[in-house]
Order: sequence, then C-alpha cells, then structure tokens
Amino acid sequence: KQEVTQIPAALSVPEGENLVLNCSFTDSAIYNLQWFRQDPGKGLTSLLLIQSSQREQTSGRLNASLDKSSGRSTLYIAASQPGDSATYLCAVSGSGGGADGLTFGKGTHLIIQP
Amino acid sequence: NAGVTQTPKFQVLKTGQSMTLQCAQDMNHNSMYWYRQDPGMGLRLIYYSASEGTTDKGEVPNGYNVSRLNKREFSLRLESAAPSQTSVYFCASSLMGQANTGELFFGEGSRLTVL
Repeated sequence: KQEVTQIPAALSVPEGENLVLNCSFTDSAIYNLQWFRQDPGKGLTSLLLIQSSQREQTSGRLNASLDKSSGRSTLYIAASQPGDSATYLCAVSGSGGGADGLTFGKGTHLIIQP
Repeated sequence: NAGVTQTPKFQVLKTGQSMTLQCAQDMNHNSMYWYRQDPGMGLRLIYYSASEGTTDKGEVPNGYNVSRLNKREFSLRLESAAPSQTSVYFCASSLMGQANTGELFFGEGSRLTVL
C-alpha cells in the first residue's frame, strides 16, 4: 500500500526566506505527483503536477522536483510572502494513471511571518 | 468557471438520518472521486468513478454509497449517518481516459456534522 509522508508537519519562517517542503512515498511505481495548496476552510488548489518521466516543474516562485527512484519530491518556495501561508499537500497517483485516485500526505502547515 | 461544485456546503444530521451529497463538474472529465478529510488522518478516498457507468471502492467505503448519474454528476449517500462520519467531504474530478496529465480538480468541500 502506498504511503506518503510530508516533513515537516509545520513550519514558520520570516517573510522573504526561501524554503523547502519535503514529500516521500514508499512505492516508486507512480504515474504522477501533485502538490496542492489548501487554505483554511477551503478546497484544494493544484499548484504543480510532475509526470513520472519528469524531474521538475516550475510555476512562478514555486519549483517542484521529483526523484522517483528514491521516492522523494520537494517543493521549493522562493522569496516567501505572508500570502503563501497555507497547508501544502503532496499526493501521488498509482501506476495505472490515477483513475483510481491519489494517495495524499498529511500536509505541511506553513506560516510566513510578516 | 464553475469547475467542481458541491452541495450542500454545510449539513448537520442526527445519528441514523440519511442524506446525499451532490457533486457536479463542467469540465467534461471522465473520472470523479469522493474524499473525506479528518484532522490527523489527511485525505482518504471513499469511492471513485473512473468513467461514466462505473464505480469502485476506495480506502474507506463502509457506510457510504455512490451513484454516477451521468458524466457530470457523482453523488455520495449516507444511508444511516454515524458520528464517525463527521468530516469534511471533497469531490474531485480528472480528465483521465485520454492522453493527459491526470491533474485533479477539487470542489470547495461539504462540512458534515453527525450528532
């Protein structure tokens, strides 16, 4: 059974710092990996998706990397801002392509101090 | 730009009552999902529908039933609600079935309390 772990569970940093969120998964036979953002009381917003054949994806100040063989992904946030405060979730899809859903980590609760 | 729409957003039930959570997507997606999110447990898959006319159990299906009414709609039914079903429920959809990325899109969630 696939298990996804996110470290740290919570993180508080001053505004302007660069930071890295970590995600690990136990079964490397994945189709893709997604990073989501969740604001309190809201749904999940997809940030980045990395296909299993890719090494990284970038969107603005966000960069996600994938090392499938070691079962690891990182989400790098550059020049953090208070608006980045949220819970960040990592999820992986099975080798079948994800039609049977994603397996989620429990998230990293991020606070950016003004 | 509706995306994935869930109703109701909030609901309070008494133990033993039944209710249906509705979900609709307007992105012509093939696959739809129901997750529940609980503190300390993360998101767990209840049921999914890989395509119109098919449904399958996820990680925590007990106490729930689903119906894929058509390509747009996927409902989740609690036949006899229990306090353990107090949770936030999320519906999601994905294009799948074609050459695509498999990106999931989520609704805003339905907060259910069972007393």
